[in-house]
Amino acid sequence: GQQVMQIPQYQHVQEGEDFTTYCNSSTTLSNIQWYKQRPGGHPVFLIQLVKSGEVKKQKRLTFQFGEAKKNSSLHITATQTTDVGTYFCAGLGDDKIIFGKGTRLHILP
Amino acid sequence: DTEVTQTPKHLVMGMTNKKSLKCEQHMGHRAMYWYKQKAKKPPELMFVYSYEKLSINESVPSRFSPECPNSSLLNLHLHALQPEDSALYLCASSSEDYYNSPLHFGNGTRLTVT
Repeated sequence: GQQVMQIPQYQHVQEGEDFTTYCNSSTTLSNIQWYKQRPGGHPVFLIQLVKSGEVKKQKRLTFQFGEAKKNSSLHITATQTTDVGTYFCAGLGDDKIIFGKGTRLHILP
Repeated sequence: DTEVTQTPKHLVMGMTNKKSLKCEQHMGHRAMYWYKQKAKKPPELMFVYSYEKLSINESVPSRFSPECPNSSLLNLHLHALQPEDSALYLCASSSEDYYNSPLHFGNGTRLTVT
């Protein structure tokens, strides 16, 4: 069946360093969404990418959708303590949204 | 703050109990969902309602019974649960186009089955 792989599983960075998480799908995706879940919280929608090669920015966050629509990345520039949490990608395949396993980001002060 | 409201926030129940989880949204969304999330895992889809009709059941055991009384409300009735059913239960909603619109999650109900 369709799978969405997300790496890394965990990432520890010093505050101010950059962070990137990657998602790869076994099949072509119609779109991909990104969510952030703070510790003890619920997933919060960040962005949706639809077009091949699409790049979107939200302040320090940059989201990319691959040309083949099989991979995506989220890059955070100059991380801050408020960036702590788990970042999930969620890809729309044949008929349902498949979540990646998430990347847990820890910020070291 | 979230525009999807779930009650209760916490629930402890025995394996012989019957309880219900409730979810409410007033964004005019026509798709509503139940997800189950275990610790350090992604949300796992259980049910999807579209226009108040059950459209997806991800082979969920019958001890979980969803109900959608109207377009704003979604319930999950629980009966004879097992300890392994302990998890965070998340309700979500999205606009009509299930396949192309973001999910708005509630704060969740943290369920413990003893």
